Amino acid sequence: GEDVEQSLFLSVREGDSSVINCTYTDSSSTYLYWYKQEPGAGLQLLTYIFSNMDMKQDQRLTVLLNKKDKHLSLRIADTQTGDSAIYFCAERNAGNNRKLIWGLGTSLAVNP
Amino acid sequence: DTAVSQTPKYLVTQMGNDKSIKCEQNLGHDTMYWYKQDSKKFLKIMFSYNNKELIINETVPNRFSPKSPDKAHLNLHINSLELGDSAVYFCASSLTGGGLDSPLHFGNGTRLTVT
Repeated sequence: GEDVEQSLFLSVREGDSSVINCTYTDSSSTYLYWYKQEPGAGLQLLTYIFSNMDMKQDQRLTVLLNKKDKHLSLRIADTQTGDSAIYFCAERNAGNNRKLIWGLGTSLAVNP
Repeated sequence: DTAVSQTPKYLVTQMGNDKSIKCEQNLGHDTMYWYKQDSKKFLKIMFSYNNKELIINETVPNRFSPKSPDKAHLNLHINSLELGDSAVYFCASSLTGGGLDSPLHFGNGTRLTVT
């Protein structure tokens, strides 16, 4: 079945770059999303990438998609303490576009 | 002018009670969802409604019953609450139809504690 996997924890120092990785199994994925959940809050869409793209950049965020390896990554440049949160990867496929398949979330800790 | 609002924010109740969580969205979306997030932060979809019609119903006990009086509201009623129901419940909404790019907009969650 469809599956999305992420490592559960990542710890970086303030000012360093963070790279959060995600792998998925569904080759018919159309959109892939990164959501951010700050403590005590709901999830917010951070960025997304369409499956025919291999890179998307938005200020400090860079999303890389390797469709052949079904690998998605989120790079946060100059990581700040305010970036500490849980980052969820999710994919939406063409066949069941009303349902997102979610990863378990990567908890990012930024140390001063 | 919150986009997706759910009430209450916190709910503490005893086992065996019946409780409801309400959700409303003012984004004009036609699809709404209920998600459960457990203590390990794992997120699981429970239900999804599109224009008041149930379209996703994951393996959820019958004690959970969603109700959508209109496309802007999706409420969750839980009967005979159990300790394992303790979690944070998130409501979300999205656009469907048209393009496939329809990200979810989440509420801030309802933290349910069953004692």
